[in-house]
Amino acid sequence: DAKTTQPNSMESNEEEPVHLPCNHSTISGTDYIHWYRQLPSQGPEYVIHGLTSNVNNRMASLAIAEDRKSSTLILHRATLRDAAVYYCIGTNAGKSTFGDGTTLTVKP
Amino acid sequence: KAGVTQTPRYLIKTRGQQVTLSCSPISGHRSVSWYQQTPGQGLQFLFEYFSETQRNKGNFPGRFSGRQFSNSRSEMNVSTLELGDSALYLCASSPSGTAKLEAFFGQGTRLTVV
Repeated sequence: DAKTTQPNSMESNEEEPVHLPCNHSTISGTDYIHWYRQLPSQGPEYVIHGLTSNVNNRMASLAIAEDRKSSTLILHRATLRDAAVYYCIGTNAGKSTFGDGTTLTVKP
Repeated sequence: KAGVTQTPRYLIKTRGQQVTLSCSPISGHRSVSWYQQTPGQGLQFLFEYFSETQRNKGNFPGRFSGRQFSNSRSEMNVSTLELGDSALYLCASSPSGTAKLEAFFGQGTRLTVV
């Protein structure tokens, strides 16, 4: 299983970019890197995922290191609604191993 | 399109009892995964079902079991409940369970064992 390591917490100011790092040094060649976020009392919500190339969608960007041992989730302009626990996951065929996640606090 | 529906949302059971939780995936999704979330252990993978077959299994005792029906709805069962089974149980559905696609989570069932 791909084990991931993330900082416990990070803070950001509203309207500023946020870079959330993740180390996944044990990831296999076929594991995708997924990011989810979870608000209190809700299930996790999909954010973005990728395999080798950097990815962009309407929510965020994902920068994957060339050796795939780390990745960074980029929120281009943090809003108060982005405050959540962000999980970086190594995923292979329906089995996801969640780490402890990063609690993002966004200050107005 | 309706999301993933989990029932019930809240449940209180007594030690030694058994419990069945239900998950209705998004229409057309054939893969359903179950997770246990506790403050101490975080989100832990229980098992994944695809086309009525258990395809992956986490490291949980045999008291935890599940099944999937032909309409892709899934149930998980916990027998002989222990206090430590108190947790938020989440299910996630995806079209095929391949890591190429995202999964969609329900809001979970909050189980309290007293």
